[in-house]
Amino acid sequence: EAGVAQSPRYKIIEKRQSVAFWCNPISGHATLYWYQQILGQGPKLLIQFQNNGVVDDSQLPKDRFSAERLKGVDSTLKIQPAKLEDSAVYLCASSPTGSPSNEQYFGPGTRLTVT
Amino acid sequence: RKEVEQDPGPFNVPEGATVAFNCTYSNSASQSFFWYRQDCRKEPKLLMSVYSSGNEDGRFTAQLNRASQYISLLIRDSKLSDSATYLCVVNPSNDYKLSFGAGTTVTVRA
Repeated sequence: EAGVAQSPRYKIIEKRQSVAFWCNPISGHATLYWYQQILGQGPKLLIQFQNNGVVDDSQLPKDRFSAERLKGVDSTLKIQPAKLEDSAVYLCASSPTGSPSNEQYFGPGTRLTVT
Repeated sequence: RKEVEQDPGPFNVPEGATVAFNCTYSNSASQSFFWYRQDCRKEPKLLMSVYSSGNEDGRFTAQLNRASQYISLLIRDSKLSDSATYLCVVNPSNDYKLSFGAGTTVTVRA
């Protein structure tokens, strides 16, 4: 079974530029998550989708971050404009349902460096 | 206070040793508990769920202490391949969100 796919794997941009990340979850998984993991910290949930609807985006900095999952499958996360503190690994995860008892399967992440 | 707190370590142990570490959580209403493993520059992967009665998976034993609000992970007969960061993960309320600790780093040396 194919895992969660993410691209690009690495991205270096200057502050105030924009960037977009893509995620394709495991086939059939209804729930998709985007996490931000800053070096030395655990992953922090940015947004959760159930199919193509947003379940929770309370920790998404909406002035600069946006995300969509239009057809309930793959998803994009955008940052515009980027700040230095956005340097982190952006992890996408999926699970069969939104139940907290479900295992979340993570993709390899996109390592973003903002200079 | 953070929702999930862990001793960052590192715990440096020789092969064959036993290593154990805890994680504390702040919300007494937390329902689900997990340990995820994250290798250097890799994604987190589920190691094991933690059940109220405690559970064991091979060389790994997880315990939950609701009264003191902590969970523990014990690794017996450590292998070089056990070197990783272990993330404590808690469902802080009866919803879908998981809170991740910052991780405890374990290094097993030959």
